[in-house]
Amino acid sequence: NAGVTQTPKFRVLKTGQSMTLLCAQDMNHEYMYWYRQDPGMGLRLIHYSVGEGTTAKGEVPDGYNVSRLKKQNFLLGLESAAPSQTSVYFCASSQTLAYEQYFGPGTRLTVT
Amino acid sequence: KQEVTQIPAALSVPEGENLVLNCSFTDSAIYNLQWFRQDPGKGLTSLLLIQSSQREQTSGRLNASLDKSSGRSTLYIAASQPGDSATYLCAVRNTDKLIFGTGTRLQVFP
Repeated sequence: NAGVTQTPKFRVLKTGQSMTLLCAQDMNHEYMYWYRQDPGMGLRLIHYSVGEGTTAKGEVPDGYNVSRLKKQNFLLGLESAAPSQTSVYFCASSQTLAYEQYFGPGTRLTVT
Repeated sequence: KQEVTQIPAALSVPEGENLVLNCSFTDSAIYNLQWFRQDPGKGLTSLLLIQSSQREQTSGRLNASLDKSSGRSTLYIAASQPGDSATYLCAVRNTDKLIFGTGTRLQVFP
């Protein structure tokens, strides 16, 4: 039981490049989330999903897109990376709103 | 808009001390509150989850309390150890979102 895994662990992009971050969970959770963590700002919700095929905007969705084609996977895309997107990205999942969230190890992204 | 504040921002204590970390929130209409631990360069590990109808939760040396009406939660760590050194985050759930505080960075020295 791996829990929540994220791929890749590190990435460096140039401004304007695109990439996709993959999150996978093996706990059969319905809810999945993408956060970014920046110094002094705490964790902020980017997008989330309440089930397969659904997505919704969080607190800071601009510049990101997501897809949840399979229940166990939640993809975060950056179509045209900007230096302001340099951050650590965390994926999380939970069974329902009432249950605790479990986090992945994070992806450190640098945009130059 | 819900705001979550954690005080102190940093804390350094000798091993063996009992600690209290504080979390306050501005909107008492929460569903639950969760405490996490984050080690440097790592993800978040869930410590305790308190539902809005509960007053406290305990796990080993950790005890978390919740006073919804006053917008406060405390995390009590008994007999602290160097292995407890980490950043501790609280997060409250309003509707479908978790709102995080910026954390308390704890260092326990031998």
